[in-house]
Order: sequence, then C-alpha cells, then structure tokens
Amino acid sequence: DAKTTQPPSMDCAEGRAANLPCNHSTISGNEYVYWYRQIHSQGPQYIIHGLKNNETNEMASLIITEDRKSSTLILPHATLRDTAVYYCIVPYNFNKFYFGSGTKLNVKP
Amino acid sequence: KAGVTQTPRYLIKTRGQQVTLSCSPISGHRSVSWYQQTPGQGLQFLFEYFSETQRNKGNFPGRFSGRQFSNSRSEMNVSTLELGDSALYLCASSIGLAGGSEQFFGPGTRLTVL
Repeated sequence: DAKTTQPPSMDCAEGRAANLPCNHSTISGNEYVYWYRQIHSQGPQYIIHGLKNNETNEMASLIITEDRKSSTLILPHATLRDTAVYYCIVPYNFNKFYFGSGTKLNVKP
Repeated sequence: KAGVTQTPRYLIKTRGQQVTLSCSPISGHRSVSWYQQTPGQGLQFLFEYFSETQRNKGNFPGRFSGRQFSNSRSEMNVSTLELGDSALYLCASSIGLAGGSEQFFGPGTRLTVL
C-alpha cells in the first residue's frame, strides 16, 4: 500500500500553474518524497524528489511543509502535454516504490 | 544514450503456461526494478535487482521471480500463469538503488493471459 494520499483528479488551465498536493503524514525523518508522472500508455517519468528543503528543476518545483507531512508539486506553466497521472511516492525501506493511484491532471485549453 | 528496452512488447499466453520477460537497462545502470500495472491495482512493485542480487521484493506470490545478469540485464519469470496476471509489466533502471536515484522506465511488456 502507498504511504501517500492524493486527490484522484484535478483540472488546470493551460498556461497556469498546476499545484498538486500530497499527504504523507507518516513519513519518517530521513525518507524522501518522489514525484513521477505517467502519460497515457507510456512508462512513468521521474520529475523530482526532495527530503526537507524545497527543490526546483527544469520540470517542476517541490514544496515540502516544515513538518514534512505534506508536499506540493508545482508545474509553473502547465501545457496540454502535462496531462498525465502524477504519483507522489514515499518508498518503503527507502527502496520499495509503491505508486498508489496518483492524481489525474487534466490540462485544458 | 539508448533508453531502457523491454522485450517482447506484447505477449499472449494461456493459463498454466509460464513466461519470461526481458529488460535491458541503460548502459552503466546497475539497478533494475520490475513493476506490474493493472487497471484495478495500479502500479505495483515486484522486485529490485542490484549487482545480480535481489535487494527488495514486493507482495507477490512465489510464481513471480527474476534474476539479473552480470551485464545488468534482467529477466522476470511468471510460472503457472493465471488470468489475473494479465497486465503491463514495466521495468526501470537506475544508476544506484532505486531509493537514491532517478528511475528510467521502459515502454513495458503487455501480457495477456487467456
């Protein structure tokens, strides 16, 4: 079972920021939070991961709350190609990745 | 750099048969993880191999097994196939163990059990 909870779906207007929340209230102090996405009929794609501090790369930003019980993935300018299922993952024993159901992000023109 | 490749891409088997799926990781990657994806259960972790040793295992019966060769290529085997084994099987490779590295996924093998 996944150690995270995410809303099943979200909508976002093209060009606007998409903010995808994730709850991981049982996370321990040295466990990372990972985000992957899966575009229909393709293998999942790594987006970003973090421990405590906020992280940013060319794809997205990851904001982790101070108590580390939740995080938000931010896609700053969503495009139609960002329509996908987004998975927030806290691996068991640091290496067992259970993807859960994820959030289906629908980017609309 | 070539990506993760999986063969075959599609496979049809009947109940009771066995099947072997193959995964070739990105050159230089030492870890290969396997996942099963079904509409009902989502994406579930099967096992991870690193340097020819199974490092982690998910909650699947013993009919599901795997191995990794010295060149990091990996195979997974499912024996005595059941209808419920119909799924997309994905492998992912990473430089180090999956928990500390970005995983790169292959396109998957679509297995249909009749």
